[in-house]
Amino acid sequence: GAVVSQHPSRVICKSGTSVKIECRSLDFQATTMFWYRQFPKQSLMLMATSNEGSKATYEQGVEKDKFLINHASLTLSTLTVTSAHPEDSSFYICSAKKQGAPNQPQHFGDGTRLSIL
Amino acid sequence: QQQVKQSPQSLIVQKGGISIINCAYENTAFDYFPWYQQFPGKGPALLIAIRPDVSEKKEGRFTISFNKSAKQFSLHIMDSQPGDSATYFCAASPAPGTGNQFYFGTGTSLTVIP
Repeated sequence: GAVVSQHPSRVICKSGTSVKIECRSLDFQATTMFWYRQFPKQSLMLMATSNEGSKATYEQGVEKDKFLINHASLTLSTLTVTSAHPEDSSFYICSAKKQGAPNQPQHFGDGTRLSIL
Repeated sequence: QQQVKQSPQSLIVQKGGISIINCAYENTAFDYFPWYQQFPGKGPALLIAIRPDVSEKKEGRFTISFNKSAKQFSLHIMDSQPGDSATYFCAASPAPGTGNQFYFGTGTSLTVIP
């Protein structure tokens, strides 16, 4: 299998707090990880693509200073929402692709429900 | 601009019936077409995937039909069950070496009535 673990599953915190979300590939190495944001009853919105050992590539309109991404190893990527505000409340999901073979699917974590009060 | 168009937005099917979800794309560089199933509060899970060199792929009750010339692909769920009630997303990605990004459809909310 290809298991991606995302932690925490739910965060409730006060406005102005920074929140770190971890994404781990448990049984495979992931050269590339992706971070998505999903609003209720909507599709996945790609925020950034994270490659191990290099800077993340952010999609247009996503503030890189607001959403800090670190991909320090082949099994771990982190997303830090800095100085979070209520408008940052959302469902954040990571995914990972196996290193090597082409046409590999993205394997998703179970998401993090972020609620900023 | 939506790279992958998905329909219908929602679908209600009787238990035992066939659920059909359709997707269309324009970019001929797309080379890999997965379908994902998502339950509320969970991340999407890979259901089945196809490459354009085959016209159909079947795994259990789930079948992908692929029409390369029409640039369309669809998911058929045979003998639909209440446990299949979820949101389904189609996706497309370009050939290796031309990009890693997956382009997702807008999703179909499937409800299977007992």
